[in-house]
Amino acid sequence: KNEVEQSPQNLTAQEGEFITINCSYSVGISALHWLQQHPGGGIVSLFMLSSGKKKHGRLIATINIQEKHSSLHITASHPRDSAVYICAVRSGTGNQFYFGTGTSLTVIP
Amino acid sequence: DAGITQSPRHKVTETGTPVTLRCHQTENHRYMYWYRQDPGHGLRLIHYSYGVKDTDKGEVSDGYSVSRSKTEDFLLTLESATSSQTSVYFCAISAGAYEQYFGPGTRLTVT
Repeated sequence: KNEVEQSPQNLTAQEGEFITINCSYSVGISALHWLQQHPGGGIVSLFMLSSGKKKHGRLIATINIQEKHSSLHITASHPRDSAVYICAVRSGTGNQFYFGTGTSLTVIP
Repeated sequence: DAGITQSPRHKVTETGTPVTLRCHQTENHRYMYWYRQDPGHGLRLIHYSYGVKDTDKGEVSDGYSVSRSKTEDFLLTLESATSSQTSVYFCAISAGAYEQYFGPGTRLTVT
């Protein structure tokens, strides 16, 4: 049983397309994180959110606490957005994090 | 970038040998974590620390031990390496209810 589920697992898009990656979780959380992992392995935090919506450049993250669901949107996708996007939640009762298995995004020029 | 390093970055070792991975931070963050990343599983917590000499187990702690004698260093030891411990190991740090910052990872191969 996975505390965090992501969909889709793999996604291929044409440059310029609008992209949505979904994350559902089953535990109580204090915060949800979206991470980016490029080929070569480095993991970078994109967003941390506990309610509502955040925007950074072409990236938008939303969360619905009641539905235990979050989405990551990429507008006007670009080949440099190709990476694995990982959803992670911080437990509401402790300091542990639970991770989704990631969504592998490929943006074709 | 958060000041977090891991050493070694790559290691090949034989089954049955002990292995120690080091995570070093310069941010003075209270929390430090060790994860392993395997295809199909995502990141899984091995152990974490919430202060000097304060550690706790994660979901995949069997075969691993940790130590934290200083705020800046968190060591992960594979007591007797097995092929199932071939993985990429990531260290992460956190100041608490804030973001996690990840190290560059250590690729470990157990032959």
